[in-house]
Amino acid sequence: SQKIEQNSEALNIQEGKTATLTCNYTNYSPAYLQWYRQDPGRGPVFLLLIRENEKEKRKERLKVTFDTTLKQSLFHITASQPADSATYLCARGFPGNTPLVFGKGTRLSVIA
Amino acid sequence: DSGVTQTPKHLITATGQRVTLRCSPRSGDLSVYWYQQSLDQGLQFLIHYYNGEERAKGNILERFSAQQFPDLHSELNLSSLELGDSALYFCASSAQDRSNYGYTFGSGTRLTVV
Repeated sequence: SQKIEQNSEALNIQEGKTATLTCNYTNYSPAYLQWYRQDPGRGPVFLLLIRENEKEKRKERLKVTFDTTLKQSLFHITASQPADSATYLCARGFPGNTPLVFGKGTRLSVIA
Repeated sequence: DSGVTQTPKHLITATGQRVTLRCSPRSGDLSVYWYQQSLDQGLQFLIHYYNGEERAKGNILERFSAQQFPDLHSELNLSSLELGDSALYFCASSAQDRSNYGYTFGSGTRLTVV
């Protein structure tokens, strides 16, 4: 089956460090990957979308990479802050008329 | 405020009952998606409507149904409720031409079945 997996359920890092979250996919090659942030009891919020022909995309302190050889996307938050603590979700699909399939998420805790 | 409105925010009901969850998409968005989120399953896609027509079904139980009305708001109907249906239900919307902006999610309806 086509799977999208976020292997780490939780990640704890020190404030100021770079957080790196991983998203892996198997048995298919998605043309698009997206990353979302979700706070407890709230709806996910879109952060970044990366296409398969884009190696890297940046937005402020966020960076996403897409490695089609490794079948992996990495999501980085540089100079992390306690306010970055949340669950981060990876999703495959094109945000037009097709349903997104989400990974289970990684819960990031940034410790002051 | 994301622009996607979901009501009610909280719902507590008994097993065997029927409830209706409502979603108004962001202005201009024609697609509405429903997702269920429970602690152990993550976000599970239920059903997708585009401009009033059903486009895709995911892991939606036969006891659940949905529709999208001419004004583009959508309703998710859950019947013969079971304890296991307790979850957060999210609605999301998207526009076909907003390819760089992903989905816009509502704040969800927390359903508790007792």
